Amino acid sequence: TQLLEQSPQFLSIQEGENLTVYCNSSSVFSSLQWYRQEPGEGPVLLVTVVTGGEVKKLKRLTFQFGDARKDSSLHITAAQPGDTGLYLCAGAYGSARQLTFGSGTQLTVLP
Amino acid sequence: ETGVTQTPRHLVMGMTNKKSLKCEQHLGHNAMYWYKQSAKKPLELMFVYNFKEQTENNSVPSRFSPECPNSSHLFLHLHTLQPEDSALYLCASSQVGREATQYFGPGTRLLVL
Repeated sequence: TQLLEQSPQFLSIQEGENLTVYCNSSSVFSSLQWYRQEPGEGPVLLVTVVTGGEVKKLKRLTFQFGDARKDSSLHITAAQPGDTGLYLCAGAYGSARQLTFGSGTQLTVLP
Repeated sequence: ETGVTQTPRHLVMGMTNKKSLKCEQHLGHNAMYWYKQSAKKPLELMFVYNFKEQTENNSVPSRFSPECPNSSHLFLHLHTLQPEDSALYLCASSQVGREATQYFGPGTRLLVL
């Protein structure tokens, strides 16, 4: 069973601060996705990273896939209240490319 | 219609009722999934369909019965559920390939009384 540990579980910060969320595993993944979920809604895809060491930027969000494809991080610069939500990482494995999800990081950005 | 849609968005049912959840994807994908999301637990994969064939059943109780009549539609038939089955049920679809990116619907919030 592939396990993904996400940290921190909860994060409450002031507007304008920077933050990093981590996603770690002992397993190798063929790709890794980051999602953001609002209450009562489904997860919305932010990014997919495929290559070890890959870095992708989405405005103030920077995603990195570890060189060994076992871990990933999400860094948000100058957080805004609109960034509030549940951030989920998911690693793809196996020939069927199924996903295993981390437990999520609940981010609250206070104005 | 775009993306992945799910109906109903909210459902309240008694333990003796029979109901069905519906999912439809408009992305031309060939794989569809049912997940269960409970409070304070990671998303749990329930069922996987590739090209309309069920390829995964993660030890889901038989009171949950999936149906995939074609690559665009997925149903989850519910009967004699328990209160602990109350959760957000999410449908997702993907194009099987290297990236394995899954796209989710908005979910059905289920409450079993």
